Amino acid sequence: GENVEQHPSTLSVQEGDSAVIKCTYSDSASNYFPWYKQELGKRPQLIIDIRSNVGEKKDQRIAVTLNKTAKHFSLHITETQPEDSAVYFCAASDNYGQNFVFGPGTRLSVLP
Amino acid sequence: GAVVSQHPSRVICKSGTSVKIECRSLDFQATTMFWYRQFPKQSLMLMATSNEGSKATYEQGVEKDKFLINHASLTLSTLTVTSAHPEDSSFYICSGRILSTDTQYFGPGTRLTVL
Repeated sequence: GENVEQHPSTLSVQEGDSAVIKCTYSDSASNYFPWYKQELGKRPQLIIDIRSNVGEKKDQRIAVTLNKTAKHFSLHITETQPEDSAVYFCAASDNYGQNFVFGPGTRLSVLP
Repeated sequence: GAVVSQHPSRVICKSGTSVKIECRSLDFQATTMFWYRQFPKQSLMLMATSNEGSKATYEQGVEKDKFLINHASLTLSTLTVTSAHPEDSSFYICSGRILSTDTQYFGPGTRLTVL
């Protein structure tokens, strides 16, 4: 089955700096890669996703890149703000999200 | 759009009792709903996948007789934790998925504490 790894497990950056979180997956059949942000005690919120037919997607300060050959994808947050502090989870799934596997998460702290 | 509600948000029960958690898709029809369990500072672990009108598919290691899942309509799925024990204490989160899409929308979660 699919296995998703995520690094780093914790990340501290200064406000205004960029943060990068990387994930790798094992199943070449996976073709949908969402990123979720989860604040303490709250639900995971979808922040961006990418499908296997594109290599990069950007939404304001957030971008995701995908390398299908190497089976890895990354989340990039620029101009970080304290409210970006949360746990971020990557995930990978095959067609129609039938096998949705989450990474272990990255705790991001943005220091003022 | 794509809002999922979950009830109750928090429940405390005695060991041996059963607890039912409801998951509702408020503005879309969720042909598939997922139930996750999350321990503190850990990732979401899929417990089961339920499709409307059919039996749930449980992940390996999840006892189907202990975690009863019903998905009787396109907007409601329930998880019943039967004969709860302290080790069942956890954060339970459901999600819904729209037919022929791959995005999951999560409920706010239910924090279960078994005394």
